[in-house]
Amino acid sequence: GQQLNQSPQSMFIQEGEDVSMNCTSSSIFNTWLWYKQDPGEGPVLLIALYKAGELTSNGRLTAQFGITRKDSFLNISASIPSDVGIYFCAGQRREYGNKLVFGAGTILRVKS
Amino acid sequence: DAGITQSPRHKVTETGTPVTLRCHQTENHRYMYWYRQDPGHGLRLIHYSYGVKDTDKGEVSDGYSVSRSKTEDFLLTLESATSSQTSVYFCAISEKAGELFFGEGSRLTVL
Repeated sequence: GQQLNQSPQSMFIQEGEDVSMNCTSSSIFNTWLWYKQDPGEGPVLLIALYKAGELTSNGRLTAQFGITRKDSFLNISASIPSDVGIYFCAGQRREYGNKLVFGAGTILRVKS
Repeated sequence: DAGITQSPRHKVTETGTPVTLRCHQTENHRYMYWYRQDPGHGLRLIHYSYGVKDTDKGEVSDGYSVSRSKTEDFLLTLESATSSQTSVYFCAISEKAGELFFGEGSRLTVL
């Protein structure tokens, strides 16, 4: 089946640091998305990417759709305590309609 | 916030009993999904619906069935619950490809 390899599995960083995480696959995807899940809640969409090479920002978050269409990156600048949570990448392939494949998630913990 | 309500939010049941989880939306979105979330596995799709009475299987559909008789409601049924179905279940809706809005989750424990 399709798999998205998300790394790192977890991060424990100092407040104010920049954070990078990525998602790779052996398959080509048409859409890459990044979600964040706060404790006890459902995931919330952060950024959606629709074109290879696309770089999109949402506040302190920046995500890129890899040029090979097999990977994506999410960067968080100047982390703050409310960045704590689980970050999921997700990919969509046209051949599979509107179904998304999710990575296993990156757990982000911030030291204040 | 997207109008999605999941019920029940928490349930404890015994092996072999039937369980139904309900997802209700007020957004009139076409697509509805049921995912399960387990540590180390992220979110895995159980079933999804692309319209009233139109459903299809996801990657972990064994042991689950769904029904969608109205646009706003998507039911997930475990005919005979097993301990391996202990999980947190999320409903999601979308109108645009990939851009899912999730409910708050239903935590199911099967003893």
